[in-house]
Amino acid sequence: DAKTTQPPSMDCAEGRAANLPCNHSTISGNEYVYWYRQIHSQGPQYIIHGLKNNETNEMASLIITEDRKSSTLILPHATLRDTAVYYCIVRLYTGTASKLTFGTGTRLQVTL
Amino acid sequence: EADIYQTPRYLVIGTGKKITLECSQTMGHDKMYWYQQDPGMELHLIHYSYGVNSTEKGDLSSESTVSRIRTEHFPLTLESARPSHTSQYLCASSAKTGFGDEKLFFGSGTQLSVL
Repeated sequence: DAKTTQPPSMDCAEGRAANLPCNHSTISGNEYVYWYRQIHSQGPQYIIHGLKNNETNEMASLIITEDRKSSTLILPHATLRDTAVYYCIVRLYTGTASKLTFGTGTRLQVTL
Repeated sequence: EADIYQTPRYLVIGTGKKITLECSQTMGHDKMYWYQQDPGMELHLIHYSYGVNSTEKGDLSSESTVSRIRTEHFPLTLESARPSHTSQYLCASSAKTGFGDEKLFFGSGTQLSVL
C-alpha cells in the first residue's frame, strides 16, 4: 500500500471548515484513498473514501487532485465533537483480506 | 451499519493469568482484524482472518493467539498475561461496498491492564 504523509496536528475554530491534507505521491491507479477518525480511545470510525472523483457524504467531502498524489478531507462546519485523530490511508483492494495500515494521523483540535 | 461488540471494555488482571478478549459481529462479515494501540500511538495490526478456520499474523508480532471457529466470533487469547501486554485491543470487521473497496467497522475496544 502507498505511504501517506499528514501534518501531525491542526486547529480549527468551531463552525469553520476544517481542511485536512494528505500526500500520497506513490499512489497507484487502482488504490483507494480512505479516511477514518478516532475520537479519544474509541475504535476508529470510517468517514469517507474515493478512487478518482471527489466524494461527499453526510460527514465530509473528499477532494482528490487530478494526479491523485494528494487529497483533502473537508469537514464543512466543524464542531467540538469533531476533535479527533484523522487517518488518511491509501489501500489496494486485492480481493483478499488486504490490511489497512494506520499511520500517525492528524490530531484535529476544534476550539470555541 | 455493522454492529461489532467487544467485551470486556476494561480488564485489570494479575501477571500470569490466562485471558480471552471477546469480539463478535452480527453482519456476517468474512474478514476480521485485531489491532493493538498504546496511548497516543499508532494502531498496529496483530491478527486477521479471511474467514472461518483462517487466521494470519499481522504486522506487529504478538504473543496472543486468535481463533475463528464461527464467522461472527474472533476471540483473542493471552495464555500468560504480562505487564508488557498492557494496551488497548481493538477488533474490526470489514465489508465490501460493492465497488471493489472495503470499509472497516471497529468495536469500542478492550483496555487491558496487567499488574
